[in-house]
Amino acid sequence: NAGVTQTPKFRVLKTGQSMTLLCAQDMNHEYMYWYRQDPGMGLRLIHYSVGEGTTAKGEVPDGYNVSRLKKQNFLLGLESAAPSQTSVYFCASRPRTGGIGIQYFGAGTRLSVL
Amino acid sequence: QKEVEQDPGPLSVPEGAIVSLNCTYSNSAFQYFMWYRQYSRKGPELLMYTYSSGNKEDGRFTAQVDKSSKYISLFIRDSQPSDSATYLCAAPMNYGGSQGNLIFGKGTKLSVKP
Repeated sequence: NAGVTQTPKFRVLKTGQSMTLLCAQDMNHEYMYWYRQDPGMGLRLIHYSVGEGTTAKGEVPDGYNVSRLKKQNFLLGLESAAPSQTSVYFCASRPRTGGIGIQYFGAGTRLSVL
Repeated sequence: QKEVEQDPGPLSVPEGAIVSLNCTYSNSAFQYFMWYRQYSRKGPELLMYTYSSGNKEDGRFTAQVDKSSKYISLFIRDSQPSDSATYLCAAPMNYGGSQGNLIFGKGTKLSVKP
């Protein structure tokens, strides 16, 4: 039972470097989400996707890009990393029907930008 | 003001105590409410799901919604050290293209001491 898998689990970047975080789900879910979690700020939505080939901005999209080329994968890109992007990133997915608000989360990616 | 507010704690209780975790919300259109549990260095997982007003019980856990006062509560009876985690309340948006997107409280960190 893989569920939602995030890679990598940890990463350290230097300011200005780029990287891509990968989220893969094996539950055939239509909706996928990227969040960041910071102390005192809770979970904040970065971008989300309601289906293959579609993406939309969430609460804090600046500095991030996303792509959903395949239904099972949702990629989060940082083109030029900044220290303010140091955070824990979570991916989540949910089916189109069967309980609005029930999301399944990955284990997270801890990113430090120096 | 965030649409879902939650006291971040931390909250420390002795084993066996009754725990009360609370959130308030400002959007009267919210119809569903969730409690997610997040263990240290893990992703959130759905704990309880309630609709509208009233109580929902699941073992030692009871979720309560008071729509008149816009108050959400989670009670844990006979708390155990294994209940030590961060508890996040959440409500899904129910309008437009953001339907289903979750608004999270900041989370309350609970520690149950043996």
